[in-house]
Amino acid sequence: SQKIEQNSEALNIQEGKTATLTCNYTNYSPAYLQWYRQDPGRGPVFLLLIRENEKEKRKERLKVTFDTTLKQSLFHITASQPADSATYLCALAAISGGYNKLIFGAGTRLAVHP
Amino acid sequence: DTGVSQDPRHKITKRGQNVTFRCDPISEHNRLYWYRQTLGQGPEFLTYFQNEAQLEKSRLLSDRFSAERPKGSFSTLEIQRTEQGDSAMYLCASSTSGRALVADTQYFGPGTRLTVL
Repeated sequence: SQKIEQNSEALNIQEGKTATLTCNYTNYSPAYLQWYRQDPGRGPVFLLLIRENEKEKRKERLKVTFDTTLKQSLFHITASQPADSATYLCALAAISGGYNKLIFGAGTRLAVHP
Repeated sequence: DTGVSQDPRHKITKRGQNVTFRCDPISEHNRLYWYRQTLGQGPEFLTYFQNEAQLEKSRLLSDRFSAERPKGSFSTLEIQRTEQGDSAMYLCASSTSGRALVADTQYFGPGTRLTVL
């Protein structure tokens, strides 16, 4: 069956360091992969999308890589700030029937300490 | 505010009661999704609408669950005869379809947290 794995333990880092979050998947060939941020009691907020034919995508302090051979995506936040503390969700999708059904991982909680 | 809105934000009900949630998507978005999220898990897909047509329902959506989008704008999700296992956050998301085979970005609402006592 399809499976998406993200670091289940919280990631604690010091302000200013780079946070790296991992998303691994099995039995799936996604057309693209998305990363979302979710704060407690709120809905997920879209951050970045990367397609299967792209290796890397950047947006300000965020960087995502996508390795379809390893079936892995890495999400980096450089120069991290306490405001980056949240849960980060990885979501895979295949474009089927003209729409996109997202399959989410359980998320990794990031805590950035001053 | 032009984002996705959901109402109510919180609902506490007794087992066996019926509940209905509403989602108002971003106005120009023709695609609407419902997800369910339990503590410590990511959102799980429930159902999808393209305009007013419900095109897919997850196996998670038992016969007690029904969703509608009557005029292709707002949507409602009803749960009949609620059970304690229905306690979760119910999330609505919307997007707009563009060119075929182009990924769309789903914009989520704040969710409705349901507690079944």
